[in-house]
Amino acid sequence: QVQLQESGPALMKPSETLSLTCTVSGGSTGSSSYYWGWIRQPPGKGLEWVGSFYYSGSASAYYDPSLKSRVTISVDTSKNQFSLKLSSVTAADTAVYYCARHPNVVSTWHAFDIWGQGTMVTVSS
Amino acid sequence: SSDLTQDPAVSVALGQTVRITCQGNSLRRYSASWFQQKPGQAPILVIYGDNNRPSGIPDRFSGSSSGNTASLTITGAQAEDEADYYCNSRDGNRVVFGGGTKLTVL
Repeated sequence: QVQLQESGPALMKPSETLSLTCTVSGGSTGSSSYYWGWIRQPPGKGLEWVGSFYYSGSASAYYDPSLKSRVTISVDTSKNQFSLKLSSVTAADTAVYYCARHPNVVSTWHAFDIWGQGTMVTVSS
Repeated sequence: SSDLTQDPAVSVALGQTVRITCQGNSLRRYSASWFQQKPGQAPILVIYGDNNRPSGIPDRFSGSSSGNTASLTITGAQAEDEADYYCNSRDGNRVVFGGGTKLTVL
């Protein structure tokens, strides 16, 4: 049974770089069958895709255009983890951040089937 | 604003059928997924590929799609189905979500 668990700081100051890690158990971040993604949810609002990463020998990364200049997602297959870095955070980046798995299938690429429990990140001075 | 449009709120009487819709141009080309989210919990995938249920999802949940509109139908809504429901799809190499529909079971 695949499980995902997010970890990282709960409170950040504006202009800092947010770093979150998702630890995968029961599955492999090096699998050719899946992408590994981040989705966030501002308080009281809807879901927003941040980006996704795939690694199976070679790497592919896709980011939401509105965040692309500030986001990097990477994978550490030796630790079975993947990470999100978001630079120059502002209050608008305050959200619950979820990591999730989705299939490497064109027709259902966006079907996030396994989610972490989420971690709340607040950006405040 | 979202690339996919959902009604903000829908209500249904206990045991009745409800349809939640999602509209957007990307649905003409790509399939829809649907997620259920209860307060304080992570979303759960309930429909993928327009009309497929993951293992463990009750068969009262079904999906369909036509043109630019995807639908999630709950046949015989239960009290535990009260939740927020989000559709999503893709637009090229970008994932897009609807704004969510709050379902109230009366």
